[in-house]
Amino acid sequence: GEDVEQSLFLSVREGDSSVINCTYTDSSSTYLYWYKQEPGAGLQLLTYIFSNMDMKQDQRLTVLLNKKDKHLSLRIADTQTGDSAIYFCAVFNQAGTALIFGKGTTLSVSS
Amino acid sequence: DAGITQSPRYKITETGRQVTLMCHQTWSHSYMFWYRQDLGHGLRLIYYSAAADITDKGEVPDGYVVSRSKTENFPLTLESATRSQTSVYFCASSPWETQYFGPGTRLLVL
Repeated sequence: GEDVEQSLFLSVREGDSSVINCTYTDSSSTYLYWYKQEPGAGLQLLTYIFSNMDMKQDQRLTVLLNKKDKHLSLRIADTQTGDSAIYFCAVFNQAGTALIFGKGTTLSVSS
Repeated sequence: DAGITQSPRYKITETGRQVTLMCHQTWSHSYMFWYRQDLGHGLRLIYYSAAADITDKGEVPDGYVVSRSKTENFPLTLESATRSQTSVYFCASSPWETQYFGPGTRLLVL
């Protein structure tokens, strides 16, 4: 069945770049998504990329999509302590009826 | 305020009781979803709805019931709560693909 895989933890120092990776088995998504969840809060849509694009830049965020390898990544430049959160990759299932989420990558930023 | 709200935000109940979690959105989005979030499992889809009076099962529907008589509301009912249903429940809505999430309901079943 469809699956989305992410590494569970990433630890970086303030000011460094963070790269969170995601692989998926199959997708009919027009868009692929990154969500952010801060402690005790709901999921906030962070950014997304159109499936026909290779890269999207949005201020400190860069999303890279390699459709051949079914690999999606999120780069956060100049990572700040406020970026500490769980980041979820999400793609639509093959039927196009619902999002499938990875288990989330916990980003820890130390000063 | 525009957006998606969930109530209650926190709920403690006992095994066997019926519990209803409410979800309300002001955008008139066609699609609405219920997820549960558990450590080690990420988010799993319970039920979704494409429009009023149209609902379908997700990955983990057992023990849950939904209804959608109005576009803006999508309540989730646990007919007889079990300890395994202790979780954080998120409602989401979507005009087509991009989903917007509510703040969540933390449910503890004793």
